[in-house]
Amino acid sequence: QVQLQESGPGLVKPSETLSLTCTVSGGSISDYYWSWIRQPPGKGLEWIGYIYYTGDTSSNPSLKSRVTMSVDTSKRQLSLKLSSVTAADTAMYFCAGMAVGGTRVFDHWGQGTLVAVSS
Amino acid sequence: DIQMTQSPSSLSASVGDRVTITCRASQSTSTYLNWYQQKAGKAPKVLIYAASSLQSGVPSRFSGSGSGTDFTLTISSLQPEDFATYYCQQTYSFPWTFGQGTKVEIK
Repeated sequence: QVQLQESGPGLVKPSETLSLTCTVSGGSISDYYWSWIRQPPGKGLEWIGYIYYTGDTSSNPSLKSRVTMSVDTSKRQLSLKLSSVTAADTAMYFCAGMAVGGTRVFDHWGQGTLVAVSS
Repeated sequence: DIQMTQSPSSLSASVGDRVTITCRASQSTSTYLNWYQQKAGKAPKVLIYAASSLQSGVPSRFSGSGSGTDFTLTISSLQPEDFATYYCQQTYSFPWTFGQGTKVEIK
């Protein structure tokens, strides 16, 4: 059973870079496309982007210039970096898995980690 | 980007009611349409994928239908544990997008 756990600082200063990690346990990391999704408090869900174990990525154009994603297969960890953050980047950040060759649905989610942007 | 619009944004219903939530896409998504349930403080959970396929372990009172631009999530008999927010999502084209959510509240 695939399990995901996000981690990172809960508070980031404006203009700095938000850095999060998602640790994958269970399953094969190459069997999934790994996405980051965020949800501002009281609002809806926004897809940030995905990464495959090969390093191939796709990002939401609305954030693309500020997003860097990477994967460390030896540590079974995914990484998200979001640069030049503002208060609008305050959100719960989730990592999620979508099976390769499957039904294009996020069927595995982490519990999320809340990040606040404030000085 | 494909815009996903859900209606209603919120609804009040009683246990045992039949509930229908609609999702309209700004352009065709074929059947690349998923439905998620999210409870307060929790991650979303997939209910329906590919417009009408029930995710394993999800009660059969949940059903989905539609194709192209118009989709429906139906709860045949609302249960206490179904009070939550529901989101549709298209994975037809990048960027993958979600509807704004429908909050189902107790009447």
